Amino acid sequence: DAGVTQSPTHLIKTRGQQVTLRCSPKSGHDTVSWYQQALGQGPQFIFQYYEEEERQRGNFPDRFSGHQFPNYSSELNVNALLLGDSALYLCASSFAGGTYEQYFGPGTRLTVT
Amino acid sequence: KQEVTQIPAALSVPEGENLVLNCSFTDSAIYNLQWFRQDPGKGLTSLLLIQSSQREQTSGRLNASLDKSSGRSTLYIAASQPGDSATYLCAVRGGDDKIIFGKGTRLHILP
Repeated sequence: DAGVTQSPTHLIKTRGQQVTLRCSPKSGHDTVSWYQQALGQGPQFIFQYYEEEERQRGNFPDRFSGHQFPNYSSELNVNALLLGDSALYLCASSFAGGTYEQYFGPGTRLTVT
Repeated sequence: KQEVTQIPAALSVPEGENLVLNCSFTDSAIYNLQWFRQDPGKGLTSLLLIQSSQREQTSGRLNASLDKSSGRSTLYIAASQPGDSATYLCAVRGGDDKIIFGKGTRLHILP
């Protein structure tokens, strides 16, 4: 049973560029949440997707957008990258009909130069 | 606005000791609380999930308690081992489905 997978593992982008990160949820899960984790900080909630719609959103600008596909996988898009967007981006999946216990992927390390 | 605080920020203890990590939250209207461990540069590993209606959960040497009325949760680790060294994070899921994390406690177990 595959857990949550994320790609790519590492990414280096230039300020002003756009980036797309990908996440495949754990088998049987239908809800995907995205988090940004700066060094030495706890993860910050970006948004959550369920049934291909954004269900909840944290305090992130519209430069951060996402998508969920019919197979429950998800993408996180960040436009007009800033140096401050450098962080570990984590994806978590859960099952809406259960306890909402979250399972995390290994993350994507984004560096903006 | 929900705020989650974890104290202490860092902790070093000799191997074999029992220890307690603390997590406090400001809004008691939570759906659940989850404890995670994170190794450096890695993703999060779920340790224990406590629903709002529960008081505690146990898994092996770990025991987590929840007191909603006082806005507190504790993670008890028995007979600590060097492999327990990691950052421990608590996350609260509110009734609005938003998940708020604390900043974590960095735990170092001394051999």
